Amino acid sequence: QSILTQPPSVSAAPGQRVTISCSGTSSNIGQHYVSWYVQIPGTAPKLLIYDNNKRPSEIPERFSASKSGTSATLAITGLQTGDEADYYCAAWDSRLNGLFGTGTKVIVL
Amino acid sequence: QVRLEESGPGLVRPSETLSLTCSVSGGSFTNYYWSWIRQPPGKGLEWIGYVYHDGGAIYNPSLKSRVTISVDTSRNQFSLNLRSMTAADTAIFYCVRVFHEFDAPAGATNWYYDLWGRGTLVSVSS
Repeated sequence: QSILTQPPSVSAAPGQRVTISCSGTSSNIGQHYVSWYVQIPGTAPKLLIYDNNKRPSEIPERFSASKSGTSATLAITGLQTGDEADYYCAAWDSRLNGLFGTGTKVIVL
Repeated sequence: QVRLEESGPGLVRPSETLSLTCSVSGGSFTNYYWSWIRQPPGKGLEWIGYVYHDGGAIYNPSLKSRVTISVDTSRNQFSLNLRSMTAADTAIFYCVRVFHEFDAPAGATNWYYDLWGRGTLVSVSS
């Protein structure tokens, strides 16, 4: 089964910036839109980014995303302790499959 | 405010069929796609499949032989049947609303999960 590859974890001190990469192929990220989700342990995931780079109204501007070719990137600026969570990218795959990334744990030092 | 709520057994015996139902309240049921997503304890998310309000469904190729997702528009519900359960199927199961739009000029599918249920843990054990 195809997957989208993310780093297992990223870390930074409060106030700093972290980025999370999401690597796919031409049949998923290369062709279709990317979304991102945040999951605080013990809770359901929540939509963070849609349409490659748009934020739902309740998501702070500190969260941004971009897509280039077959990869996508999520950036968090002004890191806060409350941002500690698991982050997942997702995209449709042309082989009729809804793919998720492997997930990245953000650690605030 | 739209709410999704999963219901079903918390324990299933090996080789049996899991049946879960998602009840959708507070908003439109038609004109959306509805998905099931699962997450084994301590692991990542896996898309199981989706159903449209007209009953058309698409499944994860890796689960296709064991999965049926159906819809009951009269009750604003959709359901998951997963056959031949094994311990590897132990997971939290989420029902989710899907935004799905085809961007014809770009040849691209815009697909994201905008509303999630709280999830229900299903364990497989004898």
